[in-house]
Amino acid sequence: KAGVTQTPRYLIKTRGQQVTLSCSPISGHRSVSWYQQTPGQGLQFLFEYFSETQRNKGNFPGRFSGRQFSNSRSEMNVSTLELGDSALYLCASRLWGQGDETQYFGPGTRLLVL
Amino acid sequence: GENVEQHPSTLSVQEGDSAVIKCTYSDSASNYFPWYKQELGKGPQLIIDIRSNVGEKKDQRIAVTLNKTAKHFSLHITETQPEDSAVYFCAASGGGSQGNLIFGKGTKLSVKP
Repeated sequence: KAGVTQTPRYLIKTRGQQVTLSCSPISGHRSVSWYQQTPGQGLQFLFEYFSETQRNKGNFPGRFSGRQFSNSRSEMNVSTLELGDSALYLCASRLWGQGDETQYFGPGTRLLVL
Repeated sequence: GENVEQHPSTLSVQEGDSAVIKCTYSDSASNYFPWYKQELGKGPQLIIDIRSNVGEKKDQRIAVTLNKTAKHFSLHITETQPEDSAVYFCAASGGGSQGNLIFGKGTKLSVKP
C-alpha cells in the first residue's frame, strides 16, 4: 500500500505571497492532520480534517487554512506569508474510528519564505 | 491545553547499550501515547505506541512504559545499533483526540559503533 504523499516537496516563496500544499492519504484513510515543524517550536498541530470537515484546530492564525475533498485528499493554504512560516509542513493520515488510530506521516513539504 | 515535556534533548550511547527517553504530560484526558522516529529528510515514523489502559508494551528491542498517576511515559531501547541514531519524539493525544497529537521537543539519539 502506498504511503502518504505530499506535493511539492520543496517550495520557495517571498513574504506576502500565498502557498497551497497538497496531501494524499493512505488508501482507505479518511482523516488527514497537518503539522508544522520548526527547529524552535518543534512539531505543532495545525488542524485535522475528516469527511471534508475540520474536526480539530491548533493555535495558529487564520492565515492558515485547509480543506479536504471527497476522495480524502487534503490541501492547506497559507496566505500573506511571513518569514516565520518557513518550516517543514507534515501531513498525517489515519483510519478514524476503526480501532487502529495510528497516524502515518508523509515526507513533508519544506517551505522557505524569503 | 496539553503540554508534553521530553528529556533528554540529546543522548549518546555506545552500540549495545540501552537508551531511555522520558516524557511527562499534563492533560489527564490524554489516552494515547505514540513514539516516533525521524531520520534526516524524512517524516516521523511510528515505532511504538501505548494506550492509557495498558502499563507496558514491548516490541523486540523497544518498550514503552506508562504511569498514568504520575503522568509520565518512557521509551526504552535495548541493544542499540548505529541505525537507531535519529531524533525520537514522544506525543500525547490532545484532549483525548488521536488526530491532534501534542509532541515533545525531541531527543537526538547518537549510537556510536
